[in-house]
Amino acid sequence: GAGVSQSPSNKVTEKGKDVELRCDPISGHTALYWYRQRLGQGLEFLIYFQGNSAPDKSGLPSDRFSAERTGESVSTLTIQRTQQEDSAVYLCASSLEVGRGEQFFGPGTRLTVL
Amino acid sequence: GNSVTQMEGPVTLSEEAFLTINCTYTATGYPSLFWYVQYPGEGLQLLLKATKADDKGSNKGFEATYRKETTSFHLEKGSVQVSDSAVYFCALKGYGGSQGNLIFGKGTKLSVKP
Repeated sequence: GAGVSQSPSNKVTEKGKDVELRCDPISGHTALYWYRQRLGQGLEFLIYFQGNSAPDKSGLPSDRFSAERTGESVSTLTIQRTQQEDSAVYLCASSLEVGRGEQFFGPGTRLTVL
Repeated sequence: GNSVTQMEGPVTLSEEAFLTINCTYTATGYPSLFWYVQYPGEGLQLLLKATKADDKGSNKGFEATYRKETTSFHLEKGSVQVSDSAVYFCALKGYGGSQGNLIFGKGTKLSVKP
């Protein structure tokens, strides 16, 4: 079956612009996670969803970052007024339930802020 | 808090050489431990896991044993192949809690030469 998909695969933007990153999880997976991977660093956890709810937003790096999920399916990560330090690969993963089952990762969106 | 430390790369080996990638962790309670692999141009994939002390995870000739006494989960393979060239990430998931997010090491790039 289809895995986790993300779009776009690459995004180049100018400093100060807003960007939206999309994640399509595996059908039936109620848990969805966003991670960020900056060059030379490990994956940094940003936020998770159980269904459409994000109980804890404390992992988001700043108030310029927001995320939503609708229909227990697609999720969008939005970065407002992008900064150069936002340049990274943004990874999405999904699992059957929060804390249970293997997390399956998408291919990521490479964001470059000029 | 929970954290993962893995050996820095890059690691370059000849085909059929023995591989060890060290990973140690800091965690409260009884975390689950994972190795993920990222092949060039592909998303993260689960390679193997162990959920309790002394468990050995294995897959594709790779092995790792959950050592609570040394808080380690070193990845080993007896004879690497060119196709094993990838970035390897050690990760943990805390026991209990409601988030289920993974905490990753910085990754180790492995290059295997024919």
